[in-house]
Amino acid sequence: AQSVTQLGSHVSVSEGALVLLRCNYSSSVPPYLFWYVQYPNQGLQLLLKYTSAATLVKGINGFEAEFKKSETSFHLTKPSAHMSDAAEYFCAVSGTQKLVFGQGTRLTINP
Amino acid sequence: DARVTQTPRDKVTEMGQEVTMRCQPILGHNTVFWYRQTMMQGLELLAYFRNRAPLDDSGMPKDRFSAEMPDATLATLKIQPSEPRDSAVYFCASGRTGILAGGNNEQFFGPGTRLTVL
Repeated sequence: AQSVTQLGSHVSVSEGALVLLRCNYSSSVPPYLFWYVQYPNQGLQLLLKYTSAATLVKGINGFEAEFKKSETSFHLTKPSAHMSDAAEYFCAVSGTQKLVFGQGTRLTINP
Repeated sequence: DARVTQTPRDKVTEMGQEVTMRCQPILGHNTVFWYRQTMMQGLELLAYFRNRAPLDDSGMPKDRFSAEMPDATLATLKIQPSEPRDSAVYFCASGRTGILAGGNNEQFFGPGTRLTVL
């Protein structure tokens, strides 16, 4: 069965600093991996996805993630945090007919 | 720009009342998902349908919750009777699953229905 572990339920960074949100997955088949973002009082929206093409995936708002099979990881990064990046971030892996989500990481940006 | 729509956006009701939440999936998507989100439990998958047939509702309290898809453009989630512990944000999502999706089970989420049961 597929599963996802997000390391750190809360991450706090300063504006302009590097953002790193960690995600490790478990999958019995070559995985499809996703990062979603949820801004306050909104639904989840797709940031980026890995579908077995390039291992470095670029998404919206300057985010990117790198698929590392040897480490079973799909960490999300952004070189310079902006106040508007404050949100909750969910990593997910494709399961049978559905997505399996991690518990989410709340990102706080300090001015 | 195709989107999942949900109504109502906010619902306040009293304990014991029936609540119906509606979702219009994106045209062409064959699978609809219902989620519940609370501070304590996070994001929980309640049920999902493929081609209007229920695939899995194991996440849903059976005694008071029911989910249906009367047609391809409408999914409903009902709670009867409602209880204060049902207060949460309920999300609908749609996507393509099965052979044509090839494992790419991307989901598109609606804006949610915020339910408050007093």
